[in-house]
Amino acid sequence: GAVVSQHPSRVICKSGTSVKIECRSLDFQATTMFWYRQFPKQSLMLMATSNEGSKATYEQGVEKDKFLINHASLTLSTLTVTSAHPEDSSFYICSAREKKNYGYTFGSGTRLTVV
Amino acid sequence: AQKVTQAQTEISVVEKEDVTLDCVYETRDTTYYLFWYKQPPSGELVFLIRRNSFDEQNEISGRYSWNFQKSTSSFNFTITASQVVDSAVYFCALSEVSSNDYKLSFGAGTTVTVRA
Repeated sequence: GAVVSQHPSRVICKSGTSVKIECRSLDFQATTMFWYRQFPKQSLMLMATSNEGSKATYEQGVEKDKFLINHASLTLSTLTVTSAHPEDSSFYICSAREKKNYGYTFGSGTRLTVV
Repeated sequence: AQKVTQAQTEISVVEKEDVTLDCVYETRDTTYYLFWYKQPPSGELVFLIRRNSFDEQNEISGRYSWNFQKSTSSFNFTITASQVVDSAVYFCALSEVSSNDYKLSFGAGTTVTVRA
């Protein structure tokens, strides 16, 4: 079946640095990629939606200059957390949708800890 | 407005008991999809079932079954003869076709604990 590879699975970074999270669709073309953030014991909150070759659409309250999303190809999307702060510590998970198949494939998630 | 409501925050059962998870959704679309996902402690989301708005046939798949009722906007999910490995957070989700990006809206989740 469809697989989305998400890396890294865990990352610890210092406050003020930037972190890049990568999601790759391994055997299908991800026309749309969704990025979610999940705080402990909470639900998944959609941060942004990106279509290949287009600028990402951010949800209300999500700072686009802080969370940079790039979806340059049909198999790769990246989320960069810029100037990370402890409050950005969270579980980030991507989800890819293939145009011809009405389903969503999720990455395994990235646990970000900012110290 | 909350589109997906999972009123049960936590459910604890003893192994072999049945567990029913409630999900109520809200949409103005006539075409939409409903999902159930499982999130074990490791964090990854596991797809369980998907149903479209035109198919109200309820089915059983192994130990899983679901009850989709458009009249009450509910999409309940049942685990029969629960096992310890079923312990996880379960999310109900809605995707509205009118949303061109087919965004998924998740409920708050229900934590299921199955005790041996």
